[in-house]
Amino acid sequence: NAGVTQTPKFQVLKTGQSMTLQCAQDMNHNSMYWYRQDPGMGLRLIYYSASEGTTDKGEVPNGYNVSRLNKREFSLRLESAAPSQTSVYFCASAGTGPNEQFFGPGTRLTVL
Amino acid sequence: AQSVSQHNHHVILSEAASLELGCNYSYGGTVNLFWYVQYPGQHLQLLLKYFSGDPLVKGIKGFEAEFIKSKFSFNLRKPSVQWSDTAEYFCAGVPKTNDYKLSFGAGTTVTVRA
Repeated sequence: NAGVTQTPKFQVLKTGQSMTLQCAQDMNHNSMYWYRQDPGMGLRLIYYSASEGTTDKGEVPNGYNVSRLNKREFSLRLESAAPSQTSVYFCASAGTGPNEQFFGPGTRLTVL
Repeated sequence: AQSVSQHNHHVILSEAASLELGCNYSYGGTVNLFWYVQYPGQHLQLLLKYFSGDPLVKGIKGFEAEFIKSKFSFNLRKPSVQWSDTAEYFCAGVPKTNDYKLSFGAGTTVTVRA
């Protein structure tokens, strides 16, 4: 039982390049989330998926797209990376009802 | 607008000292509240959570938090810290009306000196 896994762990991009961050969970959770963590700002929600087939914007969705590929997988895409997107990205998942979120190990992304 | 705020940015303590970290939320209705911890180089882990019932909740590693509705607060406490408690601590909250949009405070870095 791996919990929430993310790939890659580290990535360096040039401005304008695109990439997809992958996230998978093996806990049969319905909801999944993408956050970014920046110093002094805590974690901010980018997008979430309440259930398979649905996605919704969070607090900071601009510049990102998501896909809930199936119940297990939720990917985050940067179409044209910008230096302001340099951050640590965390994926999380949660079960039905009021529940804690379980976090992945994070992806450290640098955009030059 | 920040829905959850943490009072302290960085706290430095000696081992065996008591710890209290402040957290306030600004939701008007009922709310679910959490404290998460992030040890150096690791991902976030849940320390404790409050959904309803007894306002004093106990979590892992000797941590506890008290929900005070009249003060919109959910402060974290530990009576005697250890060097291994060095970490970043995040308070988080979500209104029960939409429990997907969890909001995090900015975090408090706790450094425990041996």
